[in-house]
Amino acid sequence: GAVVSQHPSRVICKSGTSVKIECRSLDFQATTMFWYRQFPKQSLMLMATSNEGSKATYEQGVEKDKFLINHASLTLSTLTVTSAHPEDSSFYICSARDPGPWGANEKLFFGSGTQLSVL
Amino acid sequence: GEDVEQSLFLSVREGDSSVINCTYTDSSSTYLYWYKQEPGAGLQLLTYIFSNMDMKQDQRLTVLLNKKDKHLSLRIADTQTGDSAIYFCAVASSNTGKLIFGQGTTLQVKP
Repeated sequence: GAVVSQHPSRVICKSGTSVKIECRSLDFQATTMFWYRQFPKQSLMLMATSNEGSKATYEQGVEKDKFLINHASLTLSTLTVTSAHPEDSSFYICSARDPGPWGANEKLFFGSGTQLSVL
Repeated sequence: GEDVEQSLFLSVREGDSSVINCTYTDSSSTYLYWYKQEPGAGLQLLTYIFSNMDMKQDQRLTVLLNKKDKHLSLRIADTQTGDSAIYFCAVASSNTGKLIFGQGTTLQVKP
């Protein structure tokens, strides 16, 4: 299947600093990527939809100034957690939609996730 | 809004079959998905079923879809310890087209 690379896999930072997470589609072009947040033993919560060449669409309750998303190319989207605080500690996962031969509906491939710990 | 429900935990013995169930309230999805998540890792697409099918078999995996009852299940035959993971079902929201995930079912396989 398609490959999505996400890094770093783990980051520890001090409160008040910013952290950037990268998500790359390695063998396909992804016009749309998604960013999720996952708390321990819980499901994935969609944070935002990242569209190449345009502004990201954020889900209700997600602060766009806090979680900056840039989708500058068809293979790269970045999520920057600005002025991180301990409550931002979480597992962040990206996914990319591969249009592929299976039609217009979603077939998502996921990155391996980033565990963010804010001290 | 759309809702996807799964039982939270399933424990089986190695070699037995596992059945993980999922119910959903609404879906316009052409495909319905099962993902596997191992500890500290992202999600791996395990299998999917096209919405006009009621069954799909892929080696040890069998997916059953009952559209009338909005019920999806994943059967793993001859469950192995390496199958221990969290399994998520996902369907598309008919309002937004975005994938809605269940809470995940933790499968524990005992030797």
